[in-house]
Amino acid sequence: GAGVSQSPSNKVTEKGKDVELRCDPISGHTALYWYRQSLGQGLEFLIYFQGNSAPDKSGLPSDRFSAERTGGSVSTLTIQRTQQEDSAVYLCASSPGQGRFAEAFFGQGTRLTVV
Amino acid sequence: AQRVTQPEKLLSVFKGAPVELKCNYSYSGSPELFWYVQYSRQRLQLLLRHISRESIKGFTADLNKGETSFHLKKPFAQEEDSAMYYCALNNQAGTALIFGKGTTLSVSS
Repeated sequence: GAGVSQSPSNKVTEKGKDVELRCDPISGHTALYWYRQSLGQGLEFLIYFQGNSAPDKSGLPSDRFSAERTGGSVSTLTIQRTQQEDSAVYLCASSPGQGRFAEAFFGQGTRLTVV
Repeated sequence: AQRVTQPEKLLSVFKGAPVELKCNYSYSGSPELFWYVQYSRQRLQLLLRHISRESIKGFTADLNKGETSFHLKKPFAQEEDSAMYYCALNNQAGTALIFGKGTTLSVSS
């Protein structure tokens, strides 16, 4: 595709359920980032993937959060046992390589609502 | 630790008035600084970065290392500038951008 694609656009889930959020980066982009955007908190970095290197997971808020990137392309962010405080917009971005932030593009986000 | 502070949650100005969105940072070394903008119902996009020293849509930002600031300025605001603005810098590891909490700019006629 032409840009970073995220699915679903919106997700409503019950507290305690697990959710999976998907990100399709721009073809050829080796770097992929997940962020959480919530009111009053701005954008919080969650995790970074670069090629086949070990991901930077330093931003994951708890062990309920995990992410993987298969084949260096599509990434899935999983939140287990969702809590109401997990409600936010989850953004994915990709760039051609590490540190090339000026060439990064963001997806439209997945709005997660935990009820 | 790296940190970006945007002290204003909301900035309201009239069309034609000057605008200054404040950004202060803490960083060990020489950071790379950015301003991102998110218009209503649109994706987050890069507005400008300090390295390029360019003016985009009439906006400029100068890195002041002494004051550790990277304020975004525009001499005459337009209604179409209404949006959420985020200041950001690269983390020390070079693996991600650290964002401020954002400032909503509202320009009214």
